[in-house]
Amino acid sequence: AQSVTQPDIHITVSEGASLELRCNYSYGATPYLFWYVQSPGQGLQLLLKYFSGDTLVQGIKGFEAEFKRSQSSFNLRKPSVHWSDAAEYFCAVVARNQGGKLIFGQGTELSVKP
Amino acid sequence: EPEVTQTPSHQVTQMGQEVILRCVPISNHLYFYWYRQILGQKVEFLVSFYNNEISEKSEIFDDQFSVERPDGSNFTLKIRSTKLEDSAMYFCASRVSGLASETQYFGPGTRLLVL
Repeated sequence: AQSVTQPDIHITVSEGASLELRCNYSYGATPYLFWYVQSPGQGLQLLLKYFSGDTLVQGIKGFEAEFKRSQSSFNLRKPSVHWSDAAEYFCAVVARNQGGKLIFGQGTELSVKP
Repeated sequence: EPEVTQTPSHQVTQMGQEVILRCVPISNHLYFYWYRQILGQKVEFLVSFYNNEISEKSEIFDDQFSVERPDGSNFTLKIRSTKLEDSAMYFCASRVSGLASETQYFGPGTRLLVL
């Protein structure tokens, strides 16, 4: 069965420091992968997605993610974190059946300290 | 930029009562979804809807749940007799086509509290 694991429940980084959020997936074929961000009281906003081609994808707000098939990973990175990046981050894989539901990881809560 | 909207933003109800959560998907989108997120847990799929019928539903989506697109713009989730464990944030999402690579756009959510 398809699944997504985000090993880190909570991460704290200093403002200006680099960030990497981990995501591992289990899927039989090449997956379609997404990163969403949820700010407090807000809905889910798409940061970036991967479905083919270049394994390094760029997203909004300065985020990027790298698809590594050999490691079944799709880690999210940002070179310099801003205080406004504090939020919860969800990695997801889409099921390729007709309904196309998203299967989410548990989420990683990011705190940014000044 | 078009967006998915949801009403109400918050709803408090008594156990056993019926609730209807409303969503207005993006206008040219054809696929619609409901997800929920119990506090502290992951976002879970409930149901997908296309061409006026359910495409897929999860084990959570039992007979107490139903979805409807009553007027071509709204997309509703009804919980017939709420339970305490239905307390959660409910998200509506839509996407333009069935292609797996197409982005699902999420609404801001309705926070449901069942007392």
